[in-house]
Amino acid sequence: QQQVKQSPQSLIVQKGGISIINCAYENTAFDYFPWYQQFPGKGPALLIAIRPDVSEKKEGRFTISFNKSAKQFSLHIMDSQPGDSATYFCAAKQGAQKLVFGQGTRLTINP
Amino acid sequence: EADIYQTPRYLVIGTGKKITLECSQTMGHDKMYWYQQDPGMELHLIHYSYGVNSTEKGDLSSESTVSRIRTEHFPLTLESARPSHTSQYLCASSPGEAQYFGPGTRLLVL
Repeated sequence: QQQVKQSPQSLIVQKGGISIINCAYENTAFDYFPWYQQFPGKGPALLIAIRPDVSEKKEGRFTISFNKSAKQFSLHIMDSQPGDSATYFCAAKQGAQKLVFGQGTRLTINP
Repeated sequence: EADIYQTPRYLVIGTGKKITLECSQTMGHDKMYWYQQDPGMELHLIHYSYGVNSTEKGDLSSESTVSRIRTEHFPLTLESARPSHTSQYLCASSPGEAQYFGPGTRLLVL
């Protein structure tokens, strides 16, 4: 019940397209849902996060969509650029407990 | 954003050697974490601490040990390195919800 399932494992998108990465969870007590971006040789960096009381949060080209009833949330990258090529991790957290990470999605943006 | 530092960034060492991976943060965060990650793969939590003199094992069994004598410092020690320990080790700290990661230490055990 503590798992977060992320898909797809890898994704190739053309420059200018929309990249969509999905995550599903079972624990309805999760109350914090961040996304992390990781470039090769670097640590993950917090990209954007959402709480279950809102259905969408947008920061620049990055948007989290949250569907509480379906227990799913997704990351949308609009106008995808080659510089967005990285591995993306979703995560979830309940109160003061540890973050539970998804399995990661390797995103490649073709120029 | 937290300033979190890890040293060394890269380490090549022989089997049987004792190593300590250093992690320090300057933001006064109580919570600190160690993750093991093969490049581009899942993050596996191996140790965490919620404050000074508090350490817990994570979800992935690890032969390493940690200590938390000072808030800003959370070193990880391998008493006897083996080739199976070859991986990237990431340290993170948190003031509450968001975790902030260091750049990682890439370890190669020959």
